[in-house]
Amino acid sequence: DTGVSQDPRHKITKRGQNVTFRCDPISEHNRLYWYRQTLGQGPEFLTYFQNEAQLEKSRLLSDRFSAERPKGSFSTLEIQRTEQGDSAMYLCASSPTGSLTDTQYFGPGTRLTVL
Amino acid sequence: AQTVTQSQPEMSVQEAETVTLSCTYDTSENNYYLFWYKQPPSRQMILVIRQEAYKQQNATENRFSVNFQKAAKSFSLKISDSQLGDTAMYFCAFMKTQGGSEKLVFGKGMKLTVNP
Repeated sequence: DTGVSQDPRHKITKRGQNVTFRCDPISEHNRLYWYRQTLGQGPEFLTYFQNEAQLEKSRLLSDRFSAERPKGSFSTLEIQRTEQGDSAMYLCASSPTGSLTDTQYFGPGTRLTVL
Repeated sequence: AQTVTQSQPEMSVQEAETVTLSCTYDTSENNYYLFWYKQPPSRQMILVIRQEAYKQQNATENRFSVNFQKAAKSFSLKISDSQLGDTAMYFCAFMKTQGGSEKLVFGKGMKLTVNP
């Protein structure tokens, strides 16, 4: 079990550019979550997938954000026309089933800095 | 909507001592889970302990235990025999069990420093 991995770990971009992050969940985990964590705050839910279906999106996820999980394995989170307010740590988590007793396992995060 | 409040932004404790981290939450749900997660400096978030709201018995995991007071909507974490490796941000989190995505709602976190 290699854990949740995220790539890249750090991304610095200029305002207005597009960025894409990748998350590889733990093998056979069918639920995948994206959270955003800004400095001094706890993580905030963005969206989640069960297999390839995106089942819920937060109001935090503006039209500039899109997430996919095309084959029910890895997921990508794209931010178009980045703004300075998008600077944050983007966390991915996965859980093994829909059972409510299952724990979410977090990846190391991608830290985005928008200049 | 559910909210989680951690009123202590920062605490410090001497190694081997006991420390208690406080958390309160607000919900109209009857069935839910509560969690404490730990985020060490520059490292990923890991689960410390979880509590099912329908269970009256407080959860324990080695040196970590909780005091769950459902009526008061309080969920504190006690760390016994503190170790240097316990230095981290600690987040309290809520998950409702029905009609939702099982997403976690986090508090703002508390920075714990264990001093030698």
